[in-house]
Amino acid sequence: NAGVTQTPKFRVLKTGQSMTLLCAQDMNHEYMYWYRQDPGMGLRLIHYSVGEGTTAKGEVPDGYNVSRLKKQNFLLGLESAAPSQTSVYFCASNLGAYTEAFFGQGTRLTVV
Amino acid sequence: EDQVTQSPEALRLQEGESSSLNCSYTVSGLRGLFWYRQDPGKGPEFLFTLYSAGEEKEKERLKATLTKKESFLHITAPKPEDSATYLCAVQAPRLWSGATNKLIFGTGTLLAVQP
Repeated sequence: NAGVTQTPKFRVLKTGQSMTLLCAQDMNHEYMYWYRQDPGMGLRLIHYSVGEGTTAKGEVPDGYNVSRLKKQNFLLGLESAAPSQTSVYFCASNLGAYTEAFFGQGTRLTVV
Repeated sequence: EDQVTQSPEALRLQEGESSSLNCSYTVSGLRGLFWYRQDPGKGPEFLFTLYSAGEEKEKERLKATLTKKESFLHITAPKPEDSATYLCAVQAPRLWSGATNKLIFGTGTLLAVQP
């Protein structure tokens, strides 16, 4: 049982480049999330999904897009990367609205 | 405004020296308080959920408690392998049925346990 798997683990982008981060979960969870973690700021929600085919904005959505075409996958896209998007990105999922979330191992993204 | 404050920011203990971490919160209608452990370069790992004041949960050397304003994570006789960042998160009610449960994280307490 892999849980939540993120791809890739590390990436360096040049300003203006685009990329997609992939999150896959094998727990049949309905809810999936993308967070970013920055020093001194805690985890902040970027986008989330409450089920296949649905997405919604979180606390810091600007510059990101998401898609959830399959229940087990949640993709995070950066259309035109900026240095301010240098961060560690975490995907998470949970079964229901008020249950514990399970996190992936993270993607460390550097934008130069 | 909903917010979570964890203290101290960092804590250094000797092996076997018990202590407590604090998580103070302000949220309208708490729906749950979560404790996570995060090792360097890893994602947060779930430890406990507490839902109502007076509730307590235990796991090995860790015990979490909850009041109406704060939660404590008590570490009894810690070992070096307990070294990690401990995150607290509180959950506010959903604004509508299709929204997410708003989860607000603190910035964590970095715990170092020396042998």
